Amino acid sequence: DGGITQSPKYLFRKEGQNVTLSCEQNLNHDAMYWYRQDPGQGLRLIYYSQIVNDFQKGDIAEGYSVSREKKESFPLTVTSAQKNPTAFYLCASSIGPRGMEKLFFGSGTQLSVL
Amino acid sequence: QQQVKQSPQSLIVQKGGISIINCAYENTAFDYFPWYQQFPGKGPALLIAIRPDVSEKKEGRFTISFNKSAKQFSLHIMDSQPGDSATYFCAAPRPGKLIFGQGTELSVKP
Repeated sequence: DGGITQSPKYLFRKEGQNVTLSCEQNLNHDAMYWYRQDPGQGLRLIYYSQIVNDFQKGDIAEGYSVSREKKESFPLTVTSAQKNPTAFYLCASSIGPRGMEKLFFGSGTQLSVL
Repeated sequence: QQQVKQSPQSLIVQKGGISIINCAYENTAFDYFPWYQQFPGKGPALLIAIRPDVSEKKEGRFTISFNKSAKQFSLHIMDSQPGDSATYFCAAPRPGKLIFGQGTELSVKP
């Protein structure tokens, strides 16, 4: 069954702690994306990667970091510098890097602060 | 830095009615405008998209209308059903990425 797997589904962060959200895809897609979803603000782009070992900042990259060491994996780290991390985080992939191909989304990770 | 403005933020429609959601964009890298549908606790999924060599595209009960001169496009859901209750996002492409609108939470009452 091809698709995008995000884990965990729920995650809790303590003050000063870094946490990492996992995103794995078996669609053989080149491009991967991380979006943050807050009520009333839509989907805001955090980071995106068009190819292995390369990634670009999106609109709200501050306080986040990513890596793209493998084609199928694009983990997102929420660092302690992100002061308002509570949100629903969505990972997506697309077949190519042009930005207009169909995006396939995972089921998301809900991050909350303890 | 919002480049796609979507309205309304929420919408309540009676079963069988028409749901209309509007989007306005400032600029875009390509002429391609998708709508995504998201159910609670799930990721969004592509619903319908238009390339503006046409002004309208219809798929079943869902229709996109496009006005290039006004930089606006809209989603019409005909004969709305309770199962259509979801959040809808429009989007516009930029180089290498999609920029989404703020979302519209649609509730269809039986």
